[in-house]
Amino acid sequence: AQTVTQSQPEMSVQEAETVTLSCTYDTSESDYYLFWYKQPPSRQMILVIRQEAYKQQNATENRFSVNFQKAAKSFSLKISDSQLGDAAMYFCAISGGGADGLTFGKGTHLIIQP
Amino acid sequence: DAGVTQSPTHLIKTRGQQVTLRCSPKSGHDTVSWYQQALGQGPQFIFQYYEEEERQRGNFPDRFSGHQFPNYSSELNVNALLLGDSALYLCASSSWGTSGGEEQFFGPGTRLTVL
Repeated sequence: AQTVTQSQPEMSVQEAETVTLSCTYDTSESDYYLFWYKQPPSRQMILVIRQEAYKQQNATENRFSVNFQKAAKSFSLKISDSQLGDAAMYFCAISGGGADGLTFGKGTHLIIQP
Repeated sequence: DAGVTQSPTHLIKTRGQQVTLRCSPKSGHDTVSWYQQALGQGPQFIFQYYEEEERQRGNFPDRFSGHQFPNYSSELNVNALLLGDSALYLCASSSWGTSGGEEQFFGPGTRLTVL
């Protein structure tokens, strides 16, 4: 079984500053994938960034980057130059073992202060 | 290009009733997954369909069943509704792969309330 833990129910950051959201996971699979999804108040879940566990290089997507620590089973998301549109619920998720079903954490509510 | 669509948007049922939710995948996708998201929680995987067969299933009772049609659209059926089935039901589509890493595109969800 796979588990995902997000220990920060809520985070707040000033506009234009940097914020890091934490995620730890557990899996018995040797080959797996990690994801960060964003769910704005409109509800539609959007993929933010994806990391293949066999790749040591941390994934980046514009202002979003991850810190993937495989040995520690940690997968944090860094958002640089925070914008008002970044306000949302952020979910960390894992899939693996050749199966696509995602296991999600409970989410972190990100608030952007203008 | 239409994304993932779901119907209806909202639904109210009473305990013991049955409900059917519908999903049309993003153009070009052949795989549909369903998730249940209770209030304040992350989504939980229900099952995944590919080639009209259930390929993977999460920890949900047999009251939850599904179907996929030749045009790749899908239905989620829930029988004998319980109060605890009240949730947002999300459909996600993707292209079939065996790696487990395919990106899933989510629909806006169906909000089910059981009274």
